Amino acid sequence: ETGVTQTPRHLVMGMTNKKSLKCEQHLGHNAMYWYKQSAKKPLELMFVYNFKEQTENNSVPSRFSPECPNSSHLFLHLHTLQPEDSALYLCASSQGSSGVVDTQYFGPGTRLTVL
Amino acid sequence: AQTVTQSQPEMSVQEAETVTLSCTYDTSESDYYLFWYKQPPSRQMILVIRQEAYKQQNATENRFSVNFQKAAKSFSLKISDSQLGDAAMYFCAYRIQNYGGATNKLIFGTGTLLAVQP
Repeated sequence: ETGVTQTPRHLVMGMTNKKSLKCEQHLGHNAMYWYKQSAKKPLELMFVYNFKEQTENNSVPSRFSPECPNSSHLFLHLHTLQPEDSALYLCASSQGSSGVVDTQYFGPGTRLTVL
Repeated sequence: AQTVTQSQPEMSVQEAETVTLSCTYDTSESDYYLFWYKQPPSRQMILVIRQEAYKQQNATENRFSVNFQKAAKSFSLKISDSQLGDAAMYFCAYRIQNYGGATNKLIFGTGTLLAVQP
């Protein structure tokens, strides 16, 4: 599990807390992604960054704020979350090239519980 | 809009036997990619196999192979000689061909939980 790493692996937070999820990729990729995985539902794409620029925001509430300081690091800042935001948050990366298969590689995820 | 459907929420297979997981998708595009990902209980999503829609030949990776039926929009995964380590959630995913910098957006199914019985 060294290609894409995520910290923390588990997080419990209250609705008034502010916390951040971190993702780091060691694959030399240019694109990074945040997904939300809830039980019984397909993975939901949240944000996409390509060469540090946000290229997709999939109608995500403003209480989730992404940050991509460079192509290797991606953060998800959380504030005033709701209990329904409890889920597994997955980070992924890919080469980011057009016209090729551009496989996405995933991290282990952060299990978030909002009380 | 593209959708991916996995109609089998759970499957079970005996060790050393063969199992097939089904996946159908809906798209109006002619050029795209299809993927099967595996998510073991430790949660790391791992790529199992991928298929380019323009290729008629079915992809194969060791014990894993696909049956890609483009006209039927079907993309099933066959696991041969099943092993205990194959127990996991399997996700089918679709991605449109990316020309000109469009987002490489994956559309996932809801997954099939595969149990392998010793």
